[in-house]
Amino acid sequence: EAGVTQSPTHLIKTRGQQATLRCSPISGHTSVYWYQQALGLGLQFLLWYDEGEERNRGNFPPRFSGRQFPNYSSELNVNALELEDSALYLCASSLDQGSYGYTFGSGTRLTVV
Amino acid sequence: ELKVEQNPLFLSMQEGKNYTIYCNYSTTSDRLYWYRQDPGKSLESLFVLLSNGAVKQEGRLMASLDTKARLSTLHITAAVHDLSATYFCAVDTGRRALTFGSGTRLQVQP
Repeated sequence: EAGVTQSPTHLIKTRGQQATLRCSPISGHTSVYWYQQALGLGLQFLLWYDEGEERNRGNFPPRFSGRQFPNYSSELNVNALELEDSALYLCASSLDQGSYGYTFGSGTRLTVV
Repeated sequence: ELKVEQNPLFLSMQEGKNYTIYCNYSTTSDRLYWYRQDPGKSLESLFVLLSNGAVKQEGRLMASLDTKARLSTLHITAAVHDLSATYFCAVDTGRRALTFGSGTRLQVQP
């Protein structure tokens, strides 16, 4: 069974640009979650999508947005990039409300220069 | 606001020794998760603890949950070098948002 897949693995952007990160959940999982792991800030919850809708949002500005497609894959968009957005972005998926855990992808390392 | 505190933050131990990592959290929750992260890698799920008194074991690792004390422990038995990694606990705050501890960096010395 394929795990959670994320692309690209690495992304280098200039301050002020936009970044798009992609995630495909495990087959059968309808929920997708995004987390940011920034140096010094730890792992922080960003967004939860389920059945195409944004269900919950962490404490991040509106320039962090995303969407979920009918096939349950998801995109995370970060607009007007700032240097502090440099981080590892992890996507996770789950079968339900976490009774079987949340499976994480290998992440996208975003570097803003 | 939920706070999740792990201690110690860094642990250097010799092979063959036992040790415990503690995870305290500040509000009611009965869902707690343990993950392992190797440098530059993603999070590997270790344990899912869903009720008070839950205890799970896998190899040299055993995790437990006491929801009344708001405490989870990850016990390492007879450590081996392969266990060197960073270990995170995470608490479900509700609405599927996990709040993670700061992580415990474990280094097992031969």
